[in-house]
Amino acid sequence: QLVLAQSPSAAASLGASVKLTCTLSSGHSNYAIAWHQQQPEKGPRYLMKVNSDGSHSKGDGIPDRFSGSRSGTERYLTISSLQSEDEADYYCQTWDTGIHIFGTGTKVTVL
Amino acid sequence: EVQILESGGGLVQPGGSLRLSCTASGFTFSRYGITWVRQAPGKGLEWVSAISASGGTSFYADSVKGRFTISRDNSMNTLYLQMNSLRVEDTAIYYCAKDQDMSGWAAIDCWGQGTLVIVSS
Repeated sequence: QLVLAQSPSAAASLGASVKLTCTLSSGHSNYAIAWHQQQPEKGPRYLMKVNSDGSHSKGDGIPDRFSGSRSGTERYLTISSLQSEDEADYYCQTWDTGIHIFGTGTKVTVL
Repeated sequence: EVQILESGGGLVQPGGSLRLSCTASGFTFSRYGITWVRQAPGKGLEWVSAISASGGTSFYADSVKGRFTISRDNSMNTLYLQMNSLRVEDTAIYYCAKDQDMSGWAAIDCWGQGTLVIVSS
């Protein structure tokens, strides 16, 4: 069964970096995922797609501070030079024939 | 600029019906699958339904199958979600979102601002 796992929370200091992980279920290492950001009291915003080869394509206007990568069944979102506006929930999303799946989200706190 | 605007949310009693609409602009609507995603108060994102670019194929989460119907009018750049037999647990913000391709299952690359549905007596 295709499932995405995310840690519930992460924290880092202003100006530091944080790396979020989205883990695909066993046997699904060739799946791409997308990352979405949801700031408090706002709707989600598409950040990027991370392909199974680790390449990623970002949405319009997404700063260079956001990058994606992969290792096996893990897909990463790295935020460098953390800003206060990066404090948000981050969701990963994947898909298969006729279905979309979301991870449970990671809440990022900027210290 | 891609813009997606949902409407039709509101307060409805359990067992009632509601139809959500989603109007899009800034891209060729008929070339992309569209997805509905909801978020219950204080909870995460939950996929609800999706439809292919042509409208010929639609998909539903088990939680809404048989109660919700997705459809689209490509001449009007509009997507619909007919929600019947509503339950308290359907209370959520409903987001309309554009997929990256025509299939109905792909990365979401643009979101609307959402419309709130409250199911309560």
